Amino acid sequence: RKEVEQDPGPFNVPEGATVAFNCTYSNSASQSFFWYRQDCRKEPKLLMSVYSSGNEDGRFTAQLNRASQYISLLIRDSKLSDSATYLCVVNIGNQFYFGTGTSLTVIP
Amino acid sequence: NAGVTQTPKFQVLKTGQSMTLQCAQDMNHEYMSWYRQDPGMGLRLIHYSVGAGITDQGEVPNGYNVSRSTTEDFPLRLLSAAPSQTSVYFCASRGGSGELFFGEGSRLTVL
Repeated sequence: RKEVEQDPGPFNVPEGATVAFNCTYSNSASQSFFWYRQDCRKEPKLLMSVYSSGNEDGRFTAQLNRASQYISLLIRDSKLSDSATYLCVVNIGNQFYFGTGTSLTVIP
Repeated sequence: NAGVTQTPKFQVLKTGQSMTLQCAQDMNHEYMSWYRQDPGMGLRLIHYSVGAGITDQGEVPNGYNVSRSTTEDFPLRLLSAAPSQTSVYFCASRGGSGELFFGEGSRLTVL
């Protein structure tokens, strides 16, 4: 069983739409959680950390549900520049586990 | 602001050849790591290090060696390249808030 599972998509949404991604993790000992963004043929870059109380950064909102072991990312008012692959990442000790990523294309 | 620097960016090898992927960071991070990214697989941890002189295996360590003689450098060695090692390799270091900072990646093709 994979440590982290994501719906690969693709998600194709119009500009201005709201889109949500979910991610589940299998190990209840997971300690830290992140969303990364990866553009085509580029390195992953941190989008935001995910805290138990939920957190928001502009148009992006991340939630963590430890009881159900899932993480979510909500993007409001989608922009063309949001088109990318979004990676869910879970940290246990010194190891990081990545989901396969969810592809988002924002259409004009 | 160099951050994490990887070289080379592209490399083509023949089966059986050896090579070293270089990784350097200038952020004084203790933790460094190597990942490979393959289509449909996500990033998978190869090896990691929590400080100079300390290394450990990740999910997919076979066929790769690492060493950590300084805080700044964490090279990844392929001892005898195989076509299955064709991949994109990323080096990353971990910051104080737990997040990973990645290099730009090294694209390796083994023929």
